Amino acid sequence: AQTVTQSQPEMSVQEAETVTLSCTYDTSENNYYLFWYKQPPSRQMILVIRQEAYKQQNATENRFSVNFQKAAKSFSLKISDSQLGDTAMYFCAFMKPGSGNYKLTFGKGTLLTVNP
Amino acid sequence: GAGVSQSPRYKVAKRGQDVALRCDPISGHVSLFWYQQALGQGPEFLTYFQNEAQLDKSGLPSDRFFAERPEGSVSTLKIQRTQQEDSAVYLCASSLYAGDEQYFGPGTRLTVT
Repeated sequence: AQTVTQSQPEMSVQEAETVTLSCTYDTSENNYYLFWYKQPPSRQMILVIRQEAYKQQNATENRFSVNFQKAAKSFSLKISDSQLGDTAMYFCAFMKPGSGNYKLTFGKGTLLTVNP
Repeated sequence: GAGVSQSPRYKVAKRGQDVALRCDPISGHVSLFWYQQALGQGPEFLTYFQNEAQLDKSGLPSDRFFAERPEGSVSTLKIQRTQQEDSAVYLCASSLYAGDEQYFGPGTRLTVT
């Protein structure tokens, strides 16, 4: 079974600064997807960024980018130019496609607070 | 377009009562998932549908939990004889096809007293 570990329960950053959230995972699979989801206080989970394991290039979405290290099984999220609206719980998640079930396995989350 | 909706948003049940939680996925989405999120934890998988077929129910914690999606759109998660440990937020997610981005609903917060 796959496991996802987020070792930082809480983090804070000043507005306009950069912050990196850590995620490690354990799997014996070679083909999989990794995700970062954001869950603001209203609780609607929103996809931030997605990475396919077969792609060597790190995914980027505007101010959000990942550092995907497949051999180390590490998948960190970098948020540049942090904004107050980035305050939320951030969850790292794993999916094994093609298995007949496309469920997400989540970490326990990191609460990020952006301070003005 | 409309996103995933869930009802009720909040539910308080007395221990032993039955509850039914509803999920309306995005129209046309084939895949539907239920997750359970305990306080301070990440969501945990409960069950997965592709159209009306329940392809995986391995995450359902006991036989008191039952889910259905009879016409391949709306889904209901039913919990019989609720226990205090069932208190959690129940999240529904849908995706256009298996492996695509999952869109989440706002969740139903269930409190069992």
